[in-house]
Amino acid sequence: DTAVSQTPKYLVTQMGNDKSIKCEQNLGHDTMYWYKQDSKKFLKIMFSYNNKELIINETVPNRFSPKSPDKAHLNLHINSLELGDSAVYFCASSHGAGSRAFFGQGTRLTVV
Amino acid sequence: SQELEQSPQSLIVQEGKNLTINCTSSKTLYGLYWYKQKYGEGLIFLMMLQKGGEEKSHEKITAKLDEKKQQSSLHITASQPSHAGIYLCGADDRGSTLGRLYFGRGTQLTVWP
Repeated sequence: DTAVSQTPKYLVTQMGNDKSIKCEQNLGHDTMYWYKQDSKKFLKIMFSYNNKELIINETVPNRFSPKSPDKAHLNLHINSLELGDSAVYFCASSHGAGSRAFFGQGTRLTVV
Repeated sequence: SQELEQSPQSLIVQEGKNLTINCTSSKTLYGLYWYKQKYGEGLIFLMMLQKGGEEKSHEKITAKLDEKKQQSSLHITASQPSHAGIYLCGADDRGSTLGRLYFGRGTQLTVWP
């Protein structure tokens, strides 16, 4: 029943590792997003996909690579993890402009 | 891109008190969204405002968008501990057709019994 689901919910990993976060939505939305929430709770958009195509890349290091195998999925792969990547990552989806976004529960990434 | 200023950054109130959180933009807001986030959880949608002067209420929470569509307020009446959390305002970026949402930095609300 969950509209936007992310896995895993928690991720602890060492510097230099590569990790992926998965996101799936069952709402039939065309647009999906990845957001990063830092330690001060500021929520900043990273990527936006529309119909599996990358539309927005908000000056995110190229160690972050989103992949959308189909409209319902938007995964985030992170290479060579750094301490500064520690944050909560949120996936979201919407119908696009003028419509509310539905958010996943977040993935708390801790890089040690 | 739009920038949203939220105030106050944090708010501590006693249960039963009323409170207001503000969200201000330097540009016209075409869609203004209020979300609530509890610790360790995702964002819960509260309300969406689009028209100047619009006001919406749900239970004890009322949100307004001013006539100029540059400022929104969220008012909680008779606050309860269940209202505690981070309140975020977000806005559509009409520079993009894809409804990219920008957020303010949030207001941390604590309600003590």
